[in-house]
Amino acid sequence: AQSVTQPDIHITVSEGASLELRCNYSYGATPYLFWYVQSPGQGLQLLLKYFSGDTLVQGIKGFEAEFKRSQSSFNLRKPSVHWSDAAEYFCAVGYNNNDMRFGAGTRLTVKP
Amino acid sequence: GAGVSQSPSNKVTEKGKDVELRCDPISGHTALYWYRQSLGQGLEFLIYFQGNSAPDKSGLPSDRFSAERTGGSVSTLTIQRTQQEDSAVYLCASSLVWFMKLAFDPQGPFFGPGTRLTVL
Repeated sequence: AQSVTQPDIHITVSEGASLELRCNYSYGATPYLFWYVQSPGQGLQLLLKYFSGDTLVQGIKGFEAEFKRSQSSFNLRKPSVHWSDAAEYFCAVGYNNNDMRFGAGTRLTVKP
Repeated sequence: GAGVSQSPSNKVTEKGKDVELRCDPISGHTALYWYRQSLGQGLEFLIYFQGNSAPDKSGLPSDRFSAERTGGSVSTLTIQRTQQEDSAVYLCASSLVWFMKLAFDPQGPFFGPGTRLTVL
C-alpha cells in the first residue's frame, strides 16, 4: 500500500542549529515529493518539491531536501534554524493517478 | 480572489445535525482534494475529484460523509448526523492536472484556509 511516514512527531532544536526532518514513502515507482509547512493559525504553504532531475532540491526560507531512491526518503534540511521556523511540517507524496497523501507531520519547536 | 476559498471558516454544530462545507477552487484547476486535520494529527485524505472522472472516495471515513463537485468547480463536503469525532479542520486543495505532461502546475496543489468544525 502507498504510504508516507514521518517518524518524528516532535523535534526541538536550538536557534542556529541545523535541522533534518525525516520522510519515508512506499511506492513502486518514483513519486512526486513535497514538503509543506503549516505555521500556527495559518494554511499550508509549499516549501519545495521534487518531480525529476537533480535529487537535491532547494526551496523557500533556506530549506532544501534530498531525494534518495535507495532509501525511499525525502528528508528536509536547513543548516541554521530561525525562531520563525517553529511550525508543523508535512511531507507529501503524489502518485501517477493524481492522488496525494500526507505524512502525519512533524512539529518543530525552536529553543532560544 | 486568486486562491482557494472555503466557507464557512468556522462551524459549530450539535451532535446529530448535518453540515455542509464549501470549497471554491482556483479557476481552471481540474483537480480538487478534501483533507481532514484533527487536533494534533496529520492530514487525512478524504476524497479527490479529477475533471469528469469518478471521484476517488477511498478516504471517506464512513457513509455519513459525501462530497460532490458541481460543474467541475465548486465542491461541497456533506457530513450527516455529525459525531463529536468529526470535529476537525477540513481542508480543500486544488491543482491543475500536474501529473500529466501536457498540463504541469509547478506549484503543486494550493490549499484553502480550512473550515474548523466543532461538534458539541
